[in-house]
Amino acid sequence: GQQVMQIPQYQHVQEGEDFTTYCNSSTTLSNIQWYKQRPGGHPVFLIQLVKSGEVKKQKRLTFQFGEAKKNSSLHITATQTTDVGTYFCAGRSNSGYALNFGKGTSLLVTP
Amino acid sequence: SAVISQKPSRDICQRGTSLTIQCQVDSQVTMMFWYRQQPGQSLTLIATANQGSEATYESGFVIDKFPISRPNLTFSTLTVSNMSPEDSSIYLCSVNRGGEKLFFGSGTQLSVL
Repeated sequence: GQQVMQIPQYQHVQEGEDFTTYCNSSTTLSNIQWYKQRPGGHPVFLIQLVKSGEVKKQKRLTFQFGEAKKNSSLHITATQTTDVGTYFCAGRSNSGYALNFGKGTSLLVTP
Repeated sequence: SAVISQKPSRDICQRGTSLTIQCQVDSQVTMMFWYRQQPGQSLTLIATANQGSEATYESGFVIDKFPISRPNLTFSTLTVSNMSPEDSSIYLCSVNRGGEKLFFGSGTQLSVL
């Protein structure tokens, strides 16, 4: 079945540094979504990418969907302590309806 | 957005007992999803609950262990049956809203002794 792999598992940065997490799927995805989970909280939807090569920005966050629709990335510019949390990508294959989540990247930002 | 009320928020249970988790949504939805998030891990879909029909379970999850009810379009329950310590996890209900994005309840943190 479809697998969604995400790296790195953990990232510790100083406030102001950039951060990137990468997501790869074993199969072509119809779309990919990104979620953020704060410590002790539940996942919150950030964005959905649908088109091949799509790039979307939300303030300091930049999301990309690969040309082959099998990989994606989330880049945070100049991290802040409010960015702390676990970032999950989630993909839905062309043939399925279930959303498969990556293992997540836990980001720690120290001031 | 969606307002999803989930309860209990946490519980500590004895081995061999069962716990029923309730999920209430602020408006009617066709499908409700139940996920499990084991400590430090990702979210794994347990099953999809449809109103008026049996739930659809993902590979590795069975109805006898995780019976689900869906009596109407705003409510669902998930029961974790005959619990063991391996069932200690966070259980989350979720719904689609605004296309394919998922909104999650606040989760039920279950510890089995």
